[in-house]
Amino acid sequence: DVKVTQSSRYLVKRTGEKVFLECVQDMDHENMFWYRQDPGLGLRLIYFSYDVKMKEKGDIPEGYSVSREKKERFSLILESASTNQTSMYLCASSFLAGDSSYEQYFGPGTRLTVT
Amino acid sequence: AQSVSQHNHHVILSEAASLELGCNYSYGGTVNLFWYVQYPGQHLQLLLKYFSGDPLVKGIKGFEAEFIKSKFSFNLRKPSVQWSDTAEYFCAVNRRNYGQNFVFGPGTRLSVLP
Repeated sequence: DVKVTQSSRYLVKRTGEKVFLECVQDMDHENMFWYRQDPGLGLRLIYFSYDVKMKEKGDIPEGYSVSREKKERFSLILESASTNQTSMYLCASSFLAGDSSYEQYFGPGTRLTVT
Repeated sequence: AQSVSQHNHHVILSEAASLELGCNYSYGGTVNLFWYVQYPGQHLQLLLKYFSGDPLVKGIKGFEAEFIKSKFSFNLRKPSVQWSDTAEYFCAVNRRNYGQNFVFGPGTRLSVLP
């Protein structure tokens, strides 16, 4: 059974703080993702990584950075948290499930509140 | 730009009613299609997926979805909902051969009244 775990379920930070969100997957998946989930907007991709030390920007990378030093771990960093980054953050990993077809598994999410 | 739309923001049904949640996407080419469910306080779980073959796919918990290529649609159905189906449902599309670009719809909240 695939497990994607996230370091915190709930986090409260102050404006301007540096925030680290950690994600670990135990299935040796190549690809990992960070999304934010907001009501009425669905999931929006922040960054994804297709290999160690490799990353690509998603749709909304501004204000975020990522780090992937080990295959199983993908970190999302908010360099200077702002109130508009209050959201639910979801980590996912994916694997090749068929011919050029990938399937994602999601972690439980981290609800971040920036005050 | 790629987009995925879901017809309803919030659907309210009584137990035993039939369910159909609409999903449309805006671009051509070969696609993989997914429906995810998020129960209150839980993580996103895959309900069902379509990669190829029979356009009518069956998923977990009695859900099914039909891919209609000509309508760019992938609607989710269940003949008789239960109170435990109360959740948020997300449609997602991934373009085959375009890598890891999964695009999600805005979600439909389903409330089932006992």
